[in-house]
Amino acid sequence: AQSVTQLGSHVSVSEGALVLLRCNYSSSVPPYLFWYVQYPNQGLQLLLKYTSAATLVKGINGFEAEFKKSETSFHLTKPSAHMSDAAEYFCAVSDRGLTGGGNKLTFGTGTQLKVEL
Amino acid sequence: EAQVTQNPRYLITVTGKKLTVTCSQNMNHEYMSWYRQDPGLGLRQIYYSMNVEVTDKGDVPEGYKVSRKEKRNFPLILESPSPNQTSLYFCASSFRGLAGGPTGELFFGEGSRLTVL
Repeated sequence: AQSVTQLGSHVSVSEGALVLLRCNYSSSVPPYLFWYVQYPNQGLQLLLKYTSAATLVKGINGFEAEFKKSETSFHLTKPSAHMSDAAEYFCAVSDRGLTGGGNKLTFGTGTQLKVEL
Repeated sequence: EAQVTQNPRYLITVTGKKLTVTCSQNMNHEYMSWYRQDPGLGLRQIYYSMNVEVTDKGDVPEGYKVSRKEKRNFPLILESPSPNQTSLYFCASSFRGLAGGPTGELFFGEGSRLTVL
């Protein structure tokens, strides 16, 4: 079984400060990992994904994440927070070894990012 | 414009009154899925479909039905809604990857907020 754990349901940063959202995963096979963002009253949209190529993955809006197998982590970072980054962020893991069982994209419980002036 | 469209966006109903939430995508995706989002629980998969006439249960299928008669549509049916089905529902779709399973890169609708009294 696969799972993800997001540490901290709420994170608050000042505008211009580093954003760090934590995600640890558990998977019995090499995983595909994703970060999604959800703005108020909207659906989720993909920020970035790791699919076994480069371990440092760059996404939209200046976000990036690094896959660290030894730490089973996939933390999301952004060097300088902007007010428009305020949203809920979800880490997700997909079992790439599918054998007809369908999509096992498993989401974390989410981290609400607040950006203060 | 590529999109996943859900209707209705908001609905208040009463216990036991059958309802259907429609979902339609215009991206020719093979894979479609329904999730519910609840505070503190993240997104949980209800049902998914790998292709027309192929559906299977996700993690929380009780009280729901789905059908996939056409590639673009994947309605969610609540035969006899109960208050514990009050939630925010998301439909999502994706292409299938080279290995046959979905890529995990999901495109989400804007959500349907359902309240069952």
